Amino acid sequence: DADVTQTPRNRITKTGKRIMLECSQTKGHDRMYWYRQDPGLGLRLIYYSFDVKDINKGEISDGYSVSRQAQAKFSLSLESAIPNQTALYFCATSEIGVNQPQHFGDGTRLSIL
Amino acid sequence: AQSVTQLGSHVSVSEGALVLLRCNYSSSVPPYLFWYVQYPNQGLQLLLKYTSAATLVKGINGFEAEFKKSETSFHLTKPSAHMSDAAEYFCAVSDFSGKLIFGQGTELSVKP
Repeated sequence: DADVTQTPRNRITKTGKRIMLECSQTKGHDRMYWYRQDPGLGLRLIYYSFDVKDINKGEISDGYSVSRQAQAKFSLSLESAIPNQTALYFCATSEIGVNQPQHFGDGTRLSIL
Repeated sequence: AQSVTQLGSHVSVSEGALVLLRCNYSSSVPPYLFWYVQYPNQGLQLLLKYTSAATLVKGINGFEAEFKKSETSFHLTKPSAHMSDAAEYFCAVSDFSGKLIFGQGTELSVKP
């Protein structure tokens, strides 16, 4: 089984709908992250959580919200989806520390019509 | 503030040729640097990381990177490209809290 699992893997929905993307991990890491990937822009950080009680905005948090339900679970919500939120979304985890690599899920491809 | 620039959004090499993917960083503190690879329909996988123990870092799949402070560079190389190396590659630098700042990515194509 994958260490970092994202569900769903693909989602097509309509403008204005509420969407939730879920992430769960079995690595026991305290830190979790949500990114979006767009062609030519690399990965941009949406939200991050350094522990269950810690939630922080990233570079592009407008239009998104998150919930850290447990150490192992971190969900991303789009309250009212818009077409420019069409992207590939990744969840990642890491141990505490500045030299710790992040471990990524396989991504959720989200299309908003 | 830390930042990363990857030179070249697309690189094409022939099978068996040298692979060179360029990454320059900006950091106000000694940097922690990473290279990741993304295969189609997959998440990012760690190739290697620099944490100041040695300037030449060896990673998986025959890749290595050399940290050059004077040039603020951390270029990724592989002596001989394989078809299976075709993927997108990302350079990243850690900020003071441990968050990663990613470059724009370089797509590597390998021609037979």
